[in-house]
Amino acid sequence: EAGVTQSPTHLIKTRGQQATLRCSPISGHTSVYWYQQALGLGLQFLLWYDEGEERNRGNFPPRFSGRQFPNYSSELNVNALELEDSALYLCASSRGTVANYGYTFGSGTRLTVV
Amino acid sequence: AQTVTQSQPEMSVQEAETVTLSCTYDTSENNYYLFWYKQPPSRQMILVIRQEAYKQQNATENRFSVNFQKAAKSFSLKISDSQLGDTAMYFCAFMIDFGNEKLTFGTGTRLTIIP
Repeated sequence: EAGVTQSPTHLIKTRGQQATLRCSPISGHTSVYWYQQALGLGLQFLLWYDEGEERNRGNFPPRFSGRQFPNYSSELNVNALELEDSALYLCASSRGTVANYGYTFGSGTRLTVV
Repeated sequence: AQTVTQSQPEMSVQEAETVTLSCTYDTSENNYYLFWYKQPPSRQMILVIRQEAYKQQNATENRFSVNFQKAAKSFSLKISDSQLGDTAMYFCAFMIDFGNEKLTFGTGTRLTIIP
């Protein structure tokens, strides 16, 4: 069984540009979760998508947005990039309720804003 | 708001020894779930162990066990017979049981196993 896959592995963008990050959940998982892991700050919850709908959102500005496609894959878009957006962005999916099963994470996309 | 605190930024231990990583949390909720995740250099977060707050029995997964003290809001992870492959960042995480599916993570402890 393929795990959660994320692309690209690394992404370098200039301040003010837009970044698009992609995630494919494990087959059969309908929910996708996005987290930002900035240096020294642990993981911060960004977004939760389930069945194509945004279900929950963390404390991030609107320039962080995303969507989930009919095949349950997901995109995270970050507009008007700022230097502090440089971080590892992790995507996760779950086989059921997170309380019972936790997340299965991908290996992340390292976004560097210069 | 819920918070998770990991007070040990870095730890190291000799191979085969036992090590305990600490975690405290703050919540006014009574029903919640606690997790420990491991992040090796490959960057992929791996679930190590989980604990339901309503269960008094401490969770165990092979060499990994927790000491859950609900009144003290403490959730420490004990790794027995540590192995080189245990070298990683370890994150404690917390989730309220009302379906928001969101984990609140601590800032992590970097654990190094010394050969």
